[in-house]
Amino acid sequence: GAVVSQHPSWVICKSGTSVKIECRSLDFQATTMFWYRQFPKQSLMLMATSNEGSKATYEQGVEKDKFLINHASLTLSTLTVTSAHPEDSSFYICSAHRDATNTEAFFGQGTRLTVV
Amino acid sequence: KQEVTQIPAALSVPEGENLVLNCSFTDSAIYNLQWFRQDPGKGLTSLLLIQSSQREQTSGRLNASLDKSSGRSTLYIAASQPGDSATYLCALYTGTASKLTFGTGTRLQVTL
Repeated sequence: GAVVSQHPSWVICKSGTSVKIECRSLDFQATTMFWYRQFPKQSLMLMATSNEGSKATYEQGVEKDKFLINHASLTLSTLTVTSAHPEDSSFYICSAHRDATNTEAFFGQGTRLTVV
Repeated sequence: KQEVTQIPAALSVPEGENLVLNCSFTDSAIYNLQWFRQDPGKGLTSLLLIQSSQREQTSGRLNASLDKSSGRSTLYIAASQPGDSATYLCALYTGTASKLTFGTGTRLQVTL
């Protein structure tokens, strides 16, 4: 299967600071990547669709100014949590597909964010 | 809005037992369905992908079936092992945007 790498795997930051999470497709190009959020003992909720070379598409209820997404190349998407607060503490995970059709999704390892 | 439910929410079985995990969805107009496992604090590992035109897929001890008309998918695990302990998630593709809608998950524990 394809490899999607996410970095960092965990991060602790102070309230009010910003944190950047990277998602890379290592052996394929991904014009679209997806960012999910997972609260403890809950399932994954889609936050936004990251589109290479254009603006991200956010799901309803997700603040685009708080969760900045940049997809500057075909192998890298970044999620920046701005002015983080303790309620932003969560598990963030990205996914990518080899092409634009409904083929298999490959996920990164996830990033555990703790805001103190 | 598509709702995806997995039953049971948690399951504990002794090693060697065969088991079935269930996934039901409210809107049968889906494309593909994918089963994942997630270990605690980790990302998702893809297990099986069932394409829209398929009814089942097999990989080793795993077999997944899909019945779109009834809104159900099952994941069958044969001869369970302690290493199978994880949370199992089903996810549906409901549009051409490749967005996934995840189920609520089943937490499986296989005991010695």
